[in-house]
Amino acid sequence: EPEVTQTPSHQVTQMGQEVILRCVPISNHLYFYWYRQILGQKVEFLVSFYNNEISEKSEIFDDQFSVERPDGSNFTLKIRSTKLEDSAMYFCASKGTGAGYTFGSGTRLTVV
Amino acid sequence: AQKITQTQPGMFVQEKEAVTLDCTYDTSDPSYGLFWYKQPSSGEMIFLIYQGSYDQQNATEGRYSLNFQKARKSANLVISASQLGDSAMYFCAMREDGALIDAGNNRKLIWGLGTSLAVNP
Repeated sequence: EPEVTQTPSHQVTQMGQEVILRCVPISNHLYFYWYRQILGQKVEFLVSFYNNEISEKSEIFDDQFSVERPDGSNFTLKIRSTKLEDSAMYFCASKGTGAGYTFGSGTRLTVV
Repeated sequence: AQKITQTQPGMFVQEKEAVTLDCTYDTSDPSYGLFWYKQPSSGEMIFLIYQGSYDQQNATEGRYSLNFQKARKSANLVISASQLGDSAMYFCAMREDGALIDAGNNRKLIWGLGTSLAVNP
C-alpha cells in the first residue's frame, strides 16, 4: 500500500537554529498538508499546498515557516529560527481525488 | 465554539467487547466529511473510516463502523470485538467543503481532542 514517508523520525535542535522536515507524499497525490501536534494536545493544521503554491495557512504558519516542493516528489517544511514552543510532532499528509488523507509517521521535533 | 467535540478523554473496554467513541461536530456547510484516525503510542496517524455528509448509509470498515446521525450532528465510532492492539488515541476530524459540493479536495481537517482507549485483557 502506498505510503507517505517522513524524515527524520526524530530531530533535536538548538533554539534559534533552522530545521527542514522532509516528506515524500504518495506519487499520484496532488494535495499536501502539514499538521503539528504538541504533546498531549490536539492536532493543528499548519498549511495546505496544491499546484506548487500554498492554498491555505493557519495563524500558526507565520513568517518563520515555509514550504517547498523542490523536485516534484519531496515536500518540505522549513522552520527558520526554532523556538522552544515549536517542539511537537509534525505530520505530513497527502491526498488524491478520493476522500482519504494519508499521513506520514511524523517527525518528532525537540527544541532545546 | 469547538467544531469537533470528543467528550470522553479516556475509555476502558474489555477485550472482545464492543465500544463506542463519541464525536459531535458543528458546521453550517451542507457538504462535509467526517474521519476517524487512530494514533498508537508509536505516534503515527492511521486512517480508520470516512463518512460523507451525503452518504445514505453508515460507513463500515471491518471491525469499525460509524454511527452517523446527521440531525444530531454526531459521528460516533463503534469498534466491535475489541483487541489489545486497539489500545490507542482515537481522533475524530472533519473536512468542511464550503458551498460547492466538489470543493472538498483541498480542504484541511479540523480535529477533536481525542479519546484514549484502553483495552483490558
